[in-house]
Amino acid sequence: IAGITQAPTSQILAAGRRMTLRCTQDMRHNAMYWYRQDLGLGLRLIHYSNTAGTTGKGEVPDGYSVSRANTDDFPLTLASAVPSQTSVYFCASSRLAGEGNEQFFGPGTRLTVL
Amino acid sequence: GQNIDQPTEMTATEGAIVQINCTYQTSGFNGLFWYQQHAGEAPTFLSYNVLDGLEEKGRFSSFLSRSKGYSYLLLKELQMKDSASYLCAVSPNDYKLSFGAGTTVTVRA
Repeated sequence: IAGITQAPTSQILAAGRRMTLRCTQDMRHNAMYWYRQDLGLGLRLIHYSNTAGTTGKGEVPDGYSVSRANTDDFPLTLASAVPSQTSVYFCASSRLAGEGNEQFFGPGTRLTVL
Repeated sequence: GQNIDQPTEMTATEGAIVQINCTYQTSGFNGLFWYQQHAGEAPTFLSYNVLDGLEEKGRFSSFLSRSKGYSYLLLKELQMKDSASYLCAVSPNDYKLSFGAGTTVTVRA
């Protein structure tokens, strides 16, 4: 039982490069989320998806894009990375929207943009 | 926007009790969550409150007062493995969560 997997575990990236962070869940959860976590700021929502085929913007969406072609996969793309995108990125999923919607988190990707 | 406040750090002794407070001001309320996050790891779910009152789950309890915009997480019989960050998160609407910055708890022998 894998739950949620993320790849890569860590990455060092030159500014201006394109990067896709991968996220896959095997729990058949409807909703998926991408967060970034920075010291002193906590987890901030970048993008989310209610269900396959739909996506929405979170609190800090600029510079990021997502797609949800199927239930299991929710990749996050940085089109042209900048140093301020250095962070730890967590993918999460939840069974359904609404009350008591516990989110399960992946192990995270540590990204450094130089 | 959402505003969720919790202390930055707390220190306690093994076997003691620690209470982590969380106050929130959000545009709506659909429940409050507590997560535990060990250093270098993913957050894991601890508790969920949507009605006023105390929810007990083993050594951990969580309390909610919606009228006061206030919650606390109570950790009893502290163990060294409880050293971690504790994240308060509010669901303002639907299913999205807004997180506080987290409280780092250090348990000392």
